[in-house]
Parts: sequence; C-alpha cells; structure tokens
Amino acid sequence: SYVLTQPPSVSVAPGETARIACGGNNIESKSVHWYQQKPGQAPVLVIYYDGERPSGIPERFSGSNSGNTATLTINRVEAGDEADYYCHVWDSTTDHVVFGGATKLTVL
Amino acid sequence: EGLLLESGGGLVHPGGSLRLSCAASGFTFSYYEMNWVRQAPGKGLEWVSYINTVARTIYYADSVKGRFTISRDNAKNSLYLQMNSLRAEDTAVYYCVRQGNLREFDYWGQGTQVTVSS
Repeated sequence: SYVLTQPPSVSVAPGETARIACGGNNIESKSVHWYQQKPGQAPVLVIYYDGERPSGIPERFSGSNSGNTATLTINRVEAGDEADYYCHVWDSTTDHVVFGGATKLTVL
Repeated sequence: EGLLLESGGGLVHPGGSLRLSCAASGFTFSYYEMNWVRQAPGKGLEWVSYINTVARTIYYADSVKGRFTISRDNAKNSLYLQMNSLRAEDTAVYYCVRQGNLREFDYWGQGTQVTVSS
C-alpha cells in the first residue's frame, strides 16, 4: 500500500518560513492536499491539487510537489499557525485514501 | 457554505453496533462524493470509507471492511455509517467529509465521538 511520510514536528520562529515535507514514492504523479488541524477542532483544507489555495486561506500558505516529495510552505509564520498538518493523496492502485502522519508545527 | 452535522455516536460494548448519521446543508448534497474519516485519541487521521454520488461505487479501509457499511439518501441530504462488530480500536472521533472535484476533502463536520469499551 502507498505510504506518506511526514516529519513528526517542525519548529519555527514567528515571521520565519515553515516547510513541511510529505514523502511518497513518485508522489509528483499524484495530487496532494494539505489540512490544518488545531486542538479540539476539525481539520481544515489549506492547499489542494498540490498548490491551490481554497478561498479564505491566506496567501502565506503555498504548496509544491516534485519527485518523491510534496511540500507545504508557510511564509511569515504567525502564532495562530501552530497546529497539526496532514498531507493526503488518493491511491488509485488500491482505491484507498492515504493520509500522512501528523506534523506538529510549533511557533517558538 | 457547506455544513455537515454528524450524530449517532456514543458508548458501545465490544461486538456491538452503532449507526452514524450526517446531515448536509448549504449545498446540493447529491452532487458530491462523500467520505468518513476517523481520528483515534491522540492519533492521526484515518480514512474509513468513500461513496460516490449515486452510491454505486463504495470503498472501505481494510481495517473496517466487512464490518462497516456506508450509505446515503440524497432525498434526505444524509450520509450514514453502519458500524457492526465494533472493537476497542474503533474508538475515535468520526468525521463526515465532503469530497471536491479534485478528490480534496473540502468540508468537514465537527465529528461525533464513538467509544467502544466494556
């Protein structure tokens, strides 16, 4: 089955840039979506189709996908960005949805 | 703006059954594919099941296949998950999730808690 690998944690100072990686075999051949989840809340879609932003999501959020790694980038990080982040793809081989393990973003 | 409201969660003994419901509003429910996603305490997101717009294509995670059944009633704008033979490891918050055109999960309900314990 297809596996997505994310780092357990990423730490960054306010105003800096956070990059969260999502590794998978030839992931560039798949569409990657990203979710933000704050404690006690449902996940929120922040990036879809590798790099598209839903309405209402700040331009500080962007995404890319190349080779075996997709990346969620958050520019000018704010305290309110502290959350768990998940990547997601559809595995057409198994007709299963796959999530990466959470990456906890800590704003120092 | 889409709104999804889950109900039906609760405490159940191992081997028992529960039926979750999800009421959709604010969008044309019959146009959208839907999913259930769960999250065990302190754990990550786990996809559970998918259903297409006319309920002819259905998929399940291996962990629930043969025990859970997803269904929908477009006339009632509702999604369901029948859960049988429940196990302790099924304990989780269950989210009803709308799927967009590019397979993204664009709207999530607030979730309903399912606890399987003796």
